[in-house]
Amino acid sequence: QEKVQQSPESLIVPEGAMSSLNCTFSNSASQSIWWYQQHPGKGPEALISIFSNGNKKEGRLTVYLNRASLHVSLHIRDSQPSDSAVYLCAAGGNTGKLIFGLGTTLQVQP
Amino acid sequence: EAAVTQSPRNKVTVTGGNVTLSCRQTNSHNYMYWYRQDTGHGLRLIHYSYGAGNLQIGDVPDGYKATRTTQEDFFLLLELASPSQTSLYFCASSGGRGDTGQLYFGEGSKLTVL
Repeated sequence: QEKVQQSPESLIVPEGAMSSLNCTFSNSASQSIWWYQQHPGKGPEALISIFSNGNKKEGRLTVYLNRASLHVSLHIRDSQPSDSAVYLCAAGGNTGKLIFGLGTTLQVQP
Repeated sequence: EAAVTQSPRNKVTVTGGNVTLSCRQTNSHNYMYWYRQDTGHGLRLIHYSYGAGNLQIGDVPDGYKATRTTQEDFFLLLELASPSQTSLYFCASSGGRGDTGQLYFGEGSKLTVL
């Protein structure tokens, strides 16, 4: 069964620090990896995606994908209290659907 | 303006009751999805559709029916609701296939089955 596992379950960082979130996926054929952000009482919103091995930067976000180790990480530079949310990692499955992890809860303390 | 709108936002019913959750998207997307989100299980796909009249089975379809009446409208039906279906339900749309196209989610429908 295809799985996406995220770590840590929760993370607390001070304002201005770097936040680093990890995700491993089981399907080496996953075409895409997505990160979604979910605030309380809201639906998830897509943050960034990556399709190729390597890294991708968008603003304060950097994502690294290593297909050999089936690992992807998300780094948020200069974390802000407004970044406090649940972050969901999702990987494309064999049937063309996204498989979601359980999420990492990020709290940025002022 | 919200591009994916769900209704109702909150619903309480009793065991055996009928429930219909509605979703409308104004993104002109072909794909629409119904997910449920539960602590310890995350987001799980119930049903999805890639166009009016089309229906595809997701990963947790038991006890659910769905119908896509137009490109904009996708409904989730629980005909004999059970307490195990108490959950937060999300509708989403995407322009491309689910694993490569960005998903746009609604704000969720909280269902409680007593």
